[in-house]
Amino acid sequence: QKEVEQNSGPLSVPEGAIASLNCTYSDRGSQSFFWYRQYSGKSPELIMSIYSNGDKEDGRFTAQLNKASQYVSLLIRDSQPSDSATYLCAVNSNYQLIWGAGTKLIIKP
Amino acid sequence: GAVVSQHPSRVICKSGTSVKIECRSLDFQATTMFWYRQFPKKSLMLMATSNEGSKATYEQGVEKDKFLINHASLTLSTLTVTSAHPEDSSFYICSARDLEQVFGNQPQHFGDGTRLSIL
Repeated sequence: QKEVEQNSGPLSVPEGAIASLNCTYSDRGSQSFFWYRQYSGKSPELIMSIYSNGDKEDGRFTAQLNKASQYVSLLIRDSQPSDSATYLCAVNSNYQLIWGAGTKLIIKP
Repeated sequence: GAVVSQHPSRVICKSGTSVKIECRSLDFQATTMFWYRQFPKKSLMLMATSNEGSKATYEQGVEKDKFLINHASLTLSTLTVTSAHPEDSSFYICSARDLEQVFGNQPQHFGDGTRLSIL
């Protein structure tokens, strides 16, 4: 059974601080990894894709991938209240996306 | 780019009614579309994978006669909830993956979802 694990949270972070979200996966053959943000009552929105080891930065977001350790993380710098949402990690495995259950992030003003 | 349009956004109807939900990729072609449902405060649950020109692949426990999927073109997939009952009330979300993919590595792009309420 291929799995993607995330801490369900909630993760509470003060406004302006760095939020760190983590995800581990079981399929060593996975080649692509995604972070989605989902606001309550809305559908998921893609915020980051990462395909190779290391860091990928896009604005306040940085995705980190370590295939040897089978984890992928998302850092949000200068956290804003509008970043409060559930963050879903998704891992491509045999052309299917395997979803984590999501981490609820709360940014406190 | 990569816009997915889903309609309707909300449906309220009586028990026994059949409801059709449309999912369109507006600026790309999608050989594969996915249908999810999500209960409040729960994670996404994949219901089926819709392949253009062929039968959909349903996840275990999902009744294919209850949830009819048609993917007649590269830009349109439909989900019909047949003879809907209150327990079918949920948030249904479609997603699509661009035809221009390399080894299936492209992300899925989501529609805005359909909130279905069966009275």
